[in-house]
Amino acid sequence: EVQLVESGGGLVKPGGSLRLSCAASGFTFSYFNMNWVRQAPGKGMEWVASLTSSGSFIYYSDSVKGRFTISRDNARNSLYLQMNSLRVEDTAVYYCAKDRRRIVLPDAFDLWGQGTLVTVSS
Amino acid sequence: EIVMTQSPDTLSVSPGERATLSCRASQSVNTNLVWYQQRPGQAPRLLIYDASTRATGIPARFSGSGSGTEFTLTISSLQSEDFAIYYCQQHTDWPRTFGQGTKVEFK
Repeated sequence: EVQLVESGGGLVKPGGSLRLSCAASGFTFSYFNMNWVRQAPGKGMEWVASLTSSGSFIYYSDSVKGRFTISRDNARNSLYLQMNSLRVEDTAVYYCAKDRRRIVLPDAFDLWGQGTLVTVSS
Repeated sequence: EIVMTQSPDTLSVSPGERATLSCRASQSVNTNLVWYQQRPGQAPRLLIYDASTRATGIPARFSGSGSGTEFTLTISSLQSEDFAIYYCQQHTDWPRTFGQGTKVEFK
């Protein structure tokens, strides 16, 4: 089955760290650019970070740059998001999402995980 | 940053009626425009890519149009499962940006 499964969410205090994982299956993970997108409770979607298939190019939103690190392990079919210096406003469901085509340029997200909730609160 | 603005925020429609949702970009995104559907408690689902191409498995009642800065998503005859929030998103430039969403609710 083609799917993405996120894990690693939870409750963390402001200033703390958390590492999210996304396990991919059913497709050739190493072919595709991968992404993290988040959704604060009751709010819209916000793109967080993207990583090309080989890991050569990485992009971050201004809101997380310098605090979050996206990475991947193609041998393990896994995507990661290391989140440091967490803030209350980082509270959200974090989704892992796959680009539609095997191209370098950004593309539509054609596969999403079910999301993992990160709550930053004292 | 390209700002995506959707209208209306909420659309009240009866089953079987037509729904028309709009998305405007603050600068041209060519046809690098995507529509997603998000049902309550679920992850978003890709509906339309390249502004007008339906994704795999998406019913023909969904159609997209537009280019440049003005885009439209039309649902020709609303079914009960179509009551959801719809987001547009551009991927012509970084950062990739989403509209704020249009909620299609039961009238």
